[in-house]
Amino acid sequence: KNQVEQSPQSLIILEGKNCTLQCNYTVSPFSNLRWYKQDTGRGPVSLTIMTFSENTKSNGRYTATLDADTKQSSLHITASQLSDSASYICVVSDRGSTLGRLYFGRGTQLTVWP
Amino acid sequence: EADIYQTPRYLVIGTGKKITLECSQTMGHDKMYWYQQDPGMELHLIHYSYGVNSTEKGDLSSESTVSRIRTEHFPLTLESARPSHTSQYLCASSSDRIASLYGYTFGSGTRLTVV
Repeated sequence: KNQVEQSPQSLIILEGKNCTLQCNYTVSPFSNLRWYKQDTGRGPVSLTIMTFSENTKSNGRYTATLDADTKQSSLHITASQLSDSASYICVVSDRGSTLGRLYFGRGTQLTVWP
Repeated sequence: EADIYQTPRYLVIGTGKKITLECSQTMGHDKMYWYQQDPGMELHLIHYSYGVNSTEKGDLSSESTVSRIRTEHFPLTLESARPSHTSQYLCASSSDRIASLYGYTFGSGTRLTVV
């Protein structure tokens, strides 16, 4: 069964600290993995997207890694800011259909305290 | 600036009312999607469209219906709203050519509450 599991479910950190969010998936055949940031009451916004051959990608203070062998990804946030408080969603796409089926994790709810 | 627009942002209506959630995109994308999301849960695909006059049901059964008469417009309709329809509805679009590489663009969502 194709699934995407994220951990932790929620995380509280102090402003300025770093954190790492985890994503494990069982989606096959794998096409790409995306990390989205979703502010409360808003739609998800793309942070990074990685294909099979990429193992790291950065977007400002966000760095995503991908290990396609172990089917794991992480999102590392450096020097956190209050505006980083949001849900971070891991999304994996398969290449078994023309639709490019997306499998969503439930997200990690990150709260950054001053 | 968002290129996909959803209206209304919030809607509170009574049971039995007919409602239409609007979604428009200005990117010329072929594919459009509707997702339903409950708090703390993953997004579930309820409808999608490959292009004009193409509509398909998604993975999650929904009593809503959709139409795609114009490329840029993909409204979702509930003929008779019920409290079980209370949820957040997210519209998204992608280019047919680059969907697998560049992902989706999501709207800001409509938070629907049926009382």
